[in-house]
Amino acid sequence: EVRLLESGGGLVQPGDSLRLSCAASGFTFSTYAMTWVRQAPGKGLEWVAAMDGTGAYIYYGDSVKGRFTISRDNSRNTLSLHMSSLRAEDTAVYYCAKNLGPMIAVYDSWGQGSLVTVSS
Amino acid sequence: EVVLTQSPGTLSLSPGERATLSCRASQNIGINSIGWYQQKPGQAPRLLMYGASNRATGIPDRFSGSGSGTDFSLTISRVEPEDFAVFYCQHFTGTFATFGGGTKVEIK
Repeated sequence: EVRLLESGGGLVQPGDSLRLSCAASGFTFSTYAMTWVRQAPGKGLEWVAAMDGTGAYIYYGDSVKGRFTISRDNSRNTLSLHMSSLRAEDTAVYYCAKNLGPMIAVYDSWGQGSLVTVSS
Repeated sequence: EVVLTQSPGTLSLSPGERATLSCRASQNIGINSIGWYQQKPGQAPRLLMYGASNRATGIPDRFSGSGSGTDFSLTISRVEPEDFAVFYCQHFTGTFATFGGGTKVEIK
């Protein structure tokens, strides 16, 4: 059974940094692209960042480019999202998600989400 | 950047009725680069369909998808009580993904 477990969320002030982690199990982690998707309170889904299985290809949404960094440790089956210069508009539940397969960037498994609140 | 517009914003139905949800793309996106998700309150999204008409693992056959180019739809042939939720369409390319704004299917 595929399991994704996010951690690291919390309350931070504007301008702060925070690191989210996603522990993966139940599949061969290194062979799948992984993605972060966020959802502001009461709003829709927003694609944040994605990385292929090897870590060679990395992509970011425009709203986080230059501030967020996605990374992965295939030896520990862990996906991370380092967030810096956080803004109030970054407040959201952050989900890690597993891509269905190569060249198919739909997400067939999701974590339960980690809430990040940016407020003074 | 492709913009996905979902309609209607809210669909009020009784159990057993047919639901048709629309997703319109701002430009031609072919047939394969789209997916549909269901999200219930307090839960993560669940993948329903991909490639416009392929059901994800474990998805009942009352869910179906169709469309190509700029117009796509998700149909629930007979809405069950557990189907009431918000539904999102998604488009992906090799380097980017985007979601529609969602359609809420509520009990009438």
